[in-house]
Amino acid sequence: AQRVTQPEKLLSVFKGAPVELKCNYSYSGSPELFWYVQYSRQRLQLLLRHISRESIKGFTADLNKGETSFHLKKPFAQEEDSAMYYCALNWGGKLIFGQGTELSVKP
Amino acid sequence: GAGVSQSPSNKVTEKGKDVELRCDPISGHTALYWYRQRLGQGLEFLIYFQGNSAPDKSGLPSDRFSAERTGESVSTLTIQRTQQEDSAVYLCASSLRGLSSYEQYFGPGTRLTVT
Repeated sequence: AQRVTQPEKLLSVFKGAPVELKCNYSYSGSPELFWYVQYSRQRLQLLLRHISRESIKGFTADLNKGETSFHLKKPFAQEEDSAMYYCALNWGGKLIFGQGTELSVKP
Repeated sequence: GAGVSQSPSNKVTEKGKDVELRCDPISGHTALYWYRQRLGQGLEFLIYFQGNSAPDKSGLPSDRFSAERTGESVSTLTIQRTQQEDSAVYLCASSLRGLSSYEQYFGPGTRLTVT
């Protein structure tokens, strides 16, 4: 069955430290993956998608089909990056979400 | 322009009552999705509309849940005989097209509490 796993519920780092939010998926086919972010008191919004191969707010994510992973990385975390991050898999148009990782960046 | 809107923002209801949640998608978006997020969990897909037809209802948890959509506009999610386990945030999203990688734009959600 299609599944997205985010093993960390909470990730706490200091400002300026590198950050990696893990995401693993199970899907028999060519996956289409996304990272969504929800800042405090804001609605869920798209951060980036793997097909765009873009960097948004300093974040990047590389699809590793061998390891079935799509980890989100940023070399230097900022306090404004504190938020809930959700990895999602597009399956027939609907999104299958992981359980989310709360990122806390301390000053 | 206006984003996806949902009403009410909060709803408290007694167990056994029916509730109706409303979603107004972005104008011109043909696809509309309902998701549910229970406390401390990720989002669960409920139902997808393409126009006013629902090709995928696979996520509706029971026959107490139903949804409809008027054309390519408003959608309502109805929960009959609510149970405490229905307590969650119900999120609506819309996208330009369905069955594709078009970005889904989310509404602010309706927080449902069943007492």
